[in-house]
Amino acid sequence: DAGVIQSPRHEVTEMGQEVTLRCKPISGHDYLFWYRQTMMRGLELLIYFNNNVPIDDSGMPEDRFSAKMPNASFSTLKIQPSEPRDSAVYFCASSAGVGDTQYFGPGTRLTVL
Amino acid sequence: KNQVEQSPQSLIILEGKNCTLQCNYTVSPFSNLRWYKQDTGRGPVSLTIMTFSENTKSNGRYTATLDADTKQSSLHITASQLSDSASYICVVSPLSGGYNKLIFGAGTRLAVHP
Repeated sequence: DAGVIQSPRHEVTEMGQEVTLRCKPISGHDYLFWYRQTMMRGLELLIYFNNNVPIDDSGMPEDRFSAKMPNASFSTLKIQPSEPRDSAVYFCASSAGVGDTQYFGPGTRLTVL
Repeated sequence: KNQVEQSPQSLIILEGKNCTLQCNYTVSPFSNLRWYKQDTGRGPVSLTIMTFSENTKSNGRYTATLDADTKQSSLHITASQLSDSASYICVVSPLSGGYNKLIFGAGTRLAVHP
């Protein structure tokens, strides 16, 4: 298996623009997670899905953030409008079952100017 | 508030030497404690996982220990290699709030020098 796939790997955009991050989980995994990592706050869980259904989005910082999972093999995290403080590395992870090891993708490094 | 604190923040050792990283947590009760390794520019990768009833778990040169009474865990690296240079993150999965809501420590940045 190729592991969790994320795109793009790097994104540079200007404040106010819409940003869409993409994730393909490991095939057969029922859980998908979106994390944000910064030097100041470390890794933070933003939202997670079970069988394509959002279970907990309490970590989503603001209404500017939204996530979807239209099918078992694809998820998006959208920021609209983006702000400089959104600059971070965004990771997608997936796991087979509840409490199982989460496998992380390579991350998307987002820079908002 | 549930917390996971790691020490030291950073560590430099010479290749071939051993080292021990510490993790103190206040998360209680919890279902498991994990150690992740994160190489620069990569996502975290799971090294070990221990339930609250386990005391030790090994993965090659990595050995994790857990003392549930003192709420402490350690990760011991034996005969370090240059490829061990990375951040090591202690992660606790609380019983409340869902098994999937992991609580991450800030990590220890390890540098192994030749």
